[in-house]
Amino acid sequence: AQSVTQLDSHVSVSEGTPVLLRCNYSSSYSPSLFWYVQHPNKGLQLLLKYTSAATLVKGINGFEAEFKKSETSFHLTKPSAHMSDAAEYFCVASPKEYSTLTFGKGTMLLVSP
Amino acid sequence: DAGVIQSPRHEVTEMGQEVTLRCKPISGHNSLFWYRQTMMRGLELLIYFNNNVPIDDSGMPEDRFSAKMPNASFSTLKIQPSEPRDSAVYFCASSAGTSGVDTQYFGPGTRLTVL
Repeated sequence: AQSVTQLDSHVSVSEGTPVLLRCNYSSSYSPSLFWYVQHPNKGLQLLLKYTSAATLVKGINGFEAEFKKSETSFHLTKPSAHMSDAAEYFCVASPKEYSTLTFGKGTMLLVSP
Repeated sequence: DAGVIQSPRHEVTEMGQEVTLRCKPISGHNSLFWYRQTMMRGLELLIYFNNNVPIDDSGMPEDRFSAKMPNASFSTLKIQPSEPRDSAVYFCASSAGTSGVDTQYFGPGTRLTVL
């Protein structure tokens, strides 16, 4: 069994400041991990994914995430927030062997001018 | 590529009516997934197909829900009869494989409101 915990339901930042969205996973094996973004009334878009290669994963729009096995974490970061980053972000885990995604509850990122 | 296509984008119906949601996966993808998103439960997998065959339907809420994939380019999710608690956004996703490393690509969703 696996579970995903997103530690913050809402995160507020000012434009130009760093973004940190936290995610912890619980799994009996080493999972694949993903971050998806959902803009209002839109579908989910993949930001980045970790499978088993480099632990620091770079994604689209300047986002990156680091897989830390010892902390069972996969936090999402961006050095400088942009207004267009305002959206809901989902941390997702899946066993490597088969595609069954477990979603976190989501973190709403609010970006103020 | 047009991405995953879902129709309709919005559906409003009355309790007891039949509802059919449609999905066209990305060409060449052999796995298709149906998800439901609600405020209370978040995103849940309902069912997934591989090569048009249902592999895991353990997430289907009850017998009122059924899904089919008659060919590689089309799938339907049917609710009959519909109930107000079925109101949600339903997403279809497709991927090129069935392993956990394969990326799932999501459609824009169908927002269902059952009155």
